Amino acid sequence: EVQLVQSGAEVKKPGESLKISCKGSGYSFTSYWIGWVRQMPGKGLEWMGIIYPGDSDTRYSPSFQGQVTISADKSISTAYLQWSSLKASDTAMYYCASFGPGGWFDPWGQGTLVTVSS
Amino acid sequence: QSALTQPASVSGSPGQSITISCTGTSSDVGSYNLVSWYQQHPGKAPKLMIYEVSKRPSGVSNRFSGSKSGNTASLTISGLQAEDEADYYCCSYAGSSPLFGGGTKLTVL
Repeated sequence: EVQLVQSGAEVKKPGESLKISCKGSGYSFTSYWIGWVRQMPGKGLEWMGIIYPGDSDTRYSPSFQGQVTISADKSISTAYLQWSSLKASDTAMYYCASFGPGGWFDPWGQGTLVTVSS
Repeated sequence: QSALTQPASVSGSPGQSITISCTGTSSDVGSYNLVSWYQQHPGKAPKLMIYEVSKRPSGVSNRFSGSKSGNTASLTISGLQAEDEADYYCCSYAGSSPLFGGGTKLTVL
């Protein structure tokens, strides 16, 4: 079974750094793109960026370029999303998902809730 | 890029059919047949329901169907059931950046 399992919920203060993870299993992790999607409280889905774990080729949404860093460690089938200095506005649920060649996201991880509050 | 336009809400009674529209431009929805649809129940991760405009992943009910005309894609749910009550999102991929719609809340009356 293809599965993406994300790291647990985080509570951080403004200005702190954070790295959340997404571990793939049941398929060739290096052969498929992984995407990250943000969902702010009560809001819709926003695409943040994608990475190809095979060679770490990374594409960012213009809205998130420079705000986050997406990376992957293919040796442990894990993709990451990180912030160097969190803001309260980063409070959201973050999902990873496998990104298919036709632009679809499937399957999805269970989500990681990030709360940034002083 | 602005989000694709979806109605904020739609509703229908059990057994009825409803259609959710997703309007973009000739640069996104109108460019390629790469529109997907997602169902999201409260507190859950989104689930792929339709890909490449009208294809259904294995395990998705054939009550769900997709289509496209020009710059507007549509998701139709026939034989509405209580379990279909959820948020639905469209997504268009024009070869560079995926673009989501704002989402539609489906209420089953």
